[in-house]
Amino acid sequence: KQEVTQIPAALSVPEGENLVLNCSFTDSAIYNLQWFRQDPGKGLTSLLLIQSSQREQTSGRLNASLDKSSGRSTLYIAASQPGDSATYLCAVFGYGNSGYALNFGKGTSLLVTP
Amino acid sequence: SQTIHQWPATLVQPVGSPLSLECTVEGTSNPNLYWYRQAAGRGLQLLFYSVGIGQISSEVPQNLSASRPQDRQFILSSKKLLLSDSGFYLCAWSVDYEQFFGPGTRLTVL
Repeated sequence: KQEVTQIPAALSVPEGENLVLNCSFTDSAIYNLQWFRQDPGKGLTSLLLIQSSQREQTSGRLNASLDKSSGRSTLYIAASQPGDSATYLCAVFGYGNSGYALNFGKGTSLLVTP
Repeated sequence: SQTIHQWPATLVQPVGSPLSLECTVEGTSNPNLYWYRQAAGRGLQLLFYSVGIGQISSEVPQNLSASRPQDRQFILSSKKLLLSDSGFYLCAWSVDYEQFFGPGTRLTVL
């Protein structure tokens, strides 16, 4: 059974810092890995998707890497801003009990202080 | 472009009452559809998965059921809610193994 772990569970940084969020998964048989952002009481917004054949994806100040063989991904946020405060979720897409679906980590709650 | 709708946005229901949450997708045909639940302090849990009309797979045994009466409509139901059914329910659709989520329904069972 796929297990996805995110470290740290919570993180507080001053504005302007670069930061790294970590994600690990136990089964490397995945199709892709997605990073999502969730604001309090809201749905999920997709940030980056890395296909299993790719090593990294970049969007603006965000960069995500994937090492499928070791079961690890990192989300790098450059020059953090208070608007980046949210919960960041990592999820791997693979074949589960009933078909293709995402397995999620519990998230990293990020607070960027002015 | 594709859009996913969920309603209601918020719901407070007594224990033992029925439930019906609806999700519709616009701008795509024959999507894979999903229901997830996010309970307090826990990660997102896949509840149901559908690859087509009338085709529902359940990931975990529970007090809930799902139906897909139309190609772009996915309904989550319960005959009698439990306290443990409280949570944030998210509908999602996927194409090419990438998933997109709706705004969610916050369900509180009292």
